[in-house]
Amino acid sequence: TQLLEQSPQFLSIQEGENLTVYCNSSSVFSSLQWYRQEPGEGPVLLVTVVTGGEVKKLKRLTFQFGDARKDSSLHITAAQPGDTGLYLCAGADNTDKLIFGTGTRLQVFP
Amino acid sequence: DTEVTQTPKHLVMGMTNKKSLKCEQHMGHRAMYWYKQKAKKPPELMFVYSYEKLSINESVPSRFSPECPNSSLLNLHLHALQPEDSALYLCASSQEFIPGSLSWLAKNIQYFGAGTRLSVL
Repeated sequence: TQLLEQSPQFLSIQEGENLTVYCNSSSVFSSLQWYRQEPGEGPVLLVTVVTGGEVKKLKRLTFQFGDARKDSSLHITAAQPGDTGLYLCAGADNTDKLIFGTGTRLQVFP
Repeated sequence: DTEVTQTPKHLVMGMTNKKSLKCEQHMGHRAMYWYKQKAKKPPELMFVYSYEKLSINESVPSRFSPECPNSSLLNLHLHALQPEDSALYLCASSQEFIPGSLSWLAKNIQYFGAGTRLSVL
């Protein structure tokens, strides 16, 4: 079974701080995605990374795919209260079903 | 329009009730999905429909019965549920579901609805 472990599980920070969320697996993924889910909503796709070593930027968010395509990270610069939510990495398993990581719950206080 | 609409938003039902969850999309997507999300957990796949045919059933108990009447609609019929079935049920759609195709995930973004929060008493 392919698993995606995220760390940390919970993160509470002040507005303006930087943070990094990690997504790790012992399996190779052809691509990984990052989603954000707010309370009472479904997950919303932020980015898809496909190539090992790839770095993608989305405003204050920087996503990296590990060289071996087994891990990924999400770095947020100068976090804002609007960044609060559940961050989920996800990948297609060996039968092409989408599996989600264990999740990181981020709270940014003003 | 990238909207997936789920109804109802909230549902409370007894263990002997029969109810249905509905999901609708008008993006021309030919793949639709049901996920179950327990509190403080990630979503878990339940069913995948591809071109209105059931493609994947993740060993879901028969008290959950999916139905895809047409390419825009996906239902989940519920009967004799247990309290442990209480969860957020999420519907998603994507352009296609083509297992085995290269970079399938990267080419087929899944759009999620807001979910139905189900409580079984």
